[in-house]
Amino acid sequence: DAKTTQPPSMDCAEGRAANLPCNHSTISGNEYVYWYRQIHSQGPQYIIHGLKNNETNEMASLIITEDRKSSTLILPHATLRDTAVYYCIASLGNTGNQFYFGTGTSLTVIP
Amino acid sequence: SQTIHQWPATLVQPVGSPLSLECTVEGTSNPNLYWYRQAAGRGLQLLFYSVGIGQISSEVPQNLSASRPQDRQFILSSKKLLLSDSGFYLCAWGYGIGDNEQFFGPGTRLTVL
Repeated sequence: DAKTTQPPSMDCAEGRAANLPCNHSTISGNEYVYWYRQIHSQGPQYIIHGLKNNETNEMASLIITEDRKSSTLILPHATLRDTAVYYCIASLGNTGNQFYFGTGTSLTVIP
Repeated sequence: SQTIHQWPATLVQPVGSPLSLECTVEGTSNPNLYWYRQAAGRGLQLLFYSVGIGQISSEVPQNLSASRPQDRQFILSSKKLLLSDSGFYLCAWGYGIGDNEQFFGPGTRLTVL
């Protein structure tokens, strides 16, 4: 599975869009990009995933570059409850579908 | 709807004691099951995964083992705990192959003293 690189921490003002980048320059053509978040002392929560096209759901939008070497998770209107560690994962949809989590980005939403 | 349970929520064990953590899933059949560990201030480390009863794949050599005695039951065990086994243990389930997400349980916080 491709390794991903994320900034260790970011701040965002409440009500503003939070844009979290992720580099996955070694991603293969059939690896998906997944985003999870983990609020302190809880299990990770699924946010969104995609392969090539941009994706949007009720939580966030995922923008994947055309060469697929990087992506950006966008929380359109950040709230204090969005403060969490955000993980970007590149994973094959193969047997077991293992996820390898890095250290993620610690996002702090500031009032 | 599907739910995943883990117990206990917290556990304090002495070095050298045995360990058994249990995870069960409801509302789905033949799920893939996973054990992760998160040390303080670190990312999640995949320990074991299982694609079926009795089928266990180990990702990291260690003094832990996993078993899947039933379709929706996944157990993490150790015969003798080490200090380095302390951490937050998370169980997750997912559907089979394909672009499917994993769903995580509430976790067990283990402290080895």
